[in-house]
Amino acid sequence: ETTLTQSPAFLSATPGDKVSISCKASQDIDDDVNWYQQKPGEAALFIIQEATTLVPGISPRFSGSGYGTDFTLTINNIESDDAAYYFCLQHDNFPWTFGQGTTVEIK
Amino acid sequence: QVQLVQSGAEVKKPGASVKVSCKASGYTFTSYYIHWVRQAPGQGLEWVGIINPSDATTNYARRFQGRVTMTRDTSTNTVYMDLISLTYEDTAVYYCARDPSSSHRITYAYGDSFNRDWFFDLWGRGTLVTVSS
Repeated sequence: ETTLTQSPAFLSATPGDKVSISCKASQDIDDDVNWYQQKPGEAALFIIQEATTLVPGISPRFSGSGYGTDFTLTINNIESDDAAYYFCLQHDNFPWTFGQGTTVEIK
Repeated sequence: QVQLVQSGAEVKKPGASVKVSCKASGYTFTSYYIHWVRQAPGQGLEWVGIINPSDATTNYARRFQGRVTMTRDTSTNTVYMDLISLTYEDTAVYYCARDPSSSHRITYAYGDSFNRDWFFDLWGRGTLVTVSS
């Protein structure tokens, strides 16, 4: 079973900042990582697929990078609306597993 | 409107069972698998299982085997997750999420490499299940 270690658990940013969230896999999972955004009381939103591909309709301020075991979600020019919980998912091998999540606060 | 609408919050006693529903609308019900995922307080997300609404095939996470049953009703486009023998550790928000179906099986074994990409592209808002005496 692949373990995803996500960090940091919490980050606080100022509007306009660039922030990065890390997701490290316990084994090589190629580019089989997706990223999601979840706001309280709302359904999770699919934002990045296959590590680097922006899901249609998602702001280009979001980007993903990485391959193998190290993956990163970057939010450029962060806005107040980006305050949310972000998590990664691996879909390389069964069972699907998730990172522990990152709560992003905007000051 | 394309959405997954889940049933309301539940409070159950230890040892009881709970049945959570997930009603799909706005798309062809049998063209997408449904995953169930849960998040306990202060914890990350955990995959519970998957059902193919087309043929009712299921696959469950090892730790839930024997306690969880996923079913579907194609007449109402609804998927159900039944969890029995509840303990305090089952207190969590339970989510359903869809994934495009394919000709590939979903009866994977632990460690199997997937032979396709997965998306979890649409989620429900979650159902809080509280286990309390």
